[in-house]
Amino acid sequence: QQQVKQSPQSLIVQKGGISIINCAYENTAFDYFPWYQQFPGKGPALLIAIRPDVSEKKEGRFTISFNKSAKQFSLHIMDSQPGDSATYFCAARRGGSQGNLIFGKGTKLSVKP
Amino acid sequence: NAGVTQTPKFQVLKTGQSMTLQCAQDMNHNSMYWYRQDPGMGLRLIYYSASEGTTDKGEVPNGYNVSRLNKREFSLRLESAAPSQTSVYFCASSEDSIDGNTIYFGEGSWLTVV
Repeated sequence: QQQVKQSPQSLIVQKGGISIINCAYENTAFDYFPWYQQFPGKGPALLIAIRPDVSEKKEGRFTISFNKSAKQFSLHIMDSQPGDSATYFCAARRGGSQGNLIFGKGTKLSVKP
Repeated sequence: NAGVTQTPKFQVLKTGQSMTLQCAQDMNHNSMYWYRQDPGMGLRLIYYSASEGTTDKGEVPNGYNVSRLNKREFSLRLESAAPSQTSVYFCASSEDSIDGNTIYFGEGSWLTVV
């Protein structure tokens, strides 16, 4: 079963707009929720991450919103730029420092100039 | 600072051939991983190694074997390649803490099995 469900599969946003990508999970033992960004031909790279004891984390134009009761978290990209065009993956870690990350299926974001 | 280095970058195999993907990291990380990435499927864990000398199956281990040669190196072997193993393979390593695991990925290896 898919433990981390990510939507939408693809997203087109105009430059300057807000991009929103959503993820949902079932396992309440997940204790760490990162987002990864991947450009074509490259490996994914950590963008921003949050722990479940925090409802929001902001780094520059990127914000994670976390709703523990709904078991959902989302990535918001403010003032989206063409350089943000990439594939974004949410992930969740099974509890503990040795836990593995379970990735969503990814969202391909295109920001139109 | 090279990070995670994997070779080869591209490979074409015939069905039934074997090959090994090599991976090395220079960040002194304990944990290393092999993922495969397929369109619409995201990143799926094949095998991982939490420390030197240990390996464990991930979500899609069938058809693969791994070796954690030392702390730096973690190789992935396809004993008898099948077209279903056509994919992009990523090696990764992570620094692990209770606050979160930051995974560092290599550049990927594009494998085509014909």
